[in-house]
Amino acid sequence: DAGVIQSPRHEVTEMGQEVTLRCKPISGHDYLFWYRQTMMRGLELLIYFNNNVPIDDSGMPEDRFSAKMPNASFSTLKIQPSEPRDSAVYFCASSFMNTGELFFGEGSRLTVL
Amino acid sequence: KNEVEQSPQNLTAQEGEFITINCSYSVGISALHWLQQHPGGGIVSLFMLSSGKKKHGRLIATINIQEKHSSLHITASHPRDSAVYICAAETSGSRLTFGEGTQLTVNP
Repeated sequence: DAGVIQSPRHEVTEMGQEVTLRCKPISGHDYLFWYRQTMMRGLELLIYFNNNVPIDDSGMPEDRFSAKMPNASFSTLKIQPSEPRDSAVYFCASSFMNTGELFFGEGSRLTVL
Repeated sequence: KNEVEQSPQNLTAQEGEFITINCSYSVGISALHWLQQHPGGGIVSLFMLSSGKKKHGRLIATINIQEKHSSLHITASHPRDSAVYICAAETSGSRLTFGEGTQLTVNP
């Protein structure tokens, strides 16, 4: 398996624009997590899914953020409208319940000007 | 006070030294994770443990549930071990709370 795949790796956009980050988890994994990493706050959980169902979205900063998982092999994190304070690295990770080991994607570095 | 605290924040060692990174947590956990973040930014899971000790190569992780404390040890450190090491407490519902990380630099 190729591991967790995220796209884009880098995105630079202007304030107010819509941003969509994508994630393909490892096949067979039943948990998918979205994390955000900033210098100020470190790593934070935004939302996670179990079997494509959102379980805990309490980390989603505000209504501008939304996440979907339409099927077991794809998830999106959308920011609309984006703001400079959203600049961060966004990581997607997946795991299989029985082992619990997390596998991270390479991250999507977002810069909002 | 953070729910997960690591020490030290920064650590510089000479190649070959034995290294210990500590993690204390104040919440009830189902598991404790140790992660490694490479200079390029990628994150790799090193260990997930809920009791006792685990070993993988030169890395050893221990946890004391009663004291709410975990340690990551690196034996015979090498410059390629230079990275940020992050402790994360897994609470109910698979939620992870992260420590701030320990920046390790191993000099040749």
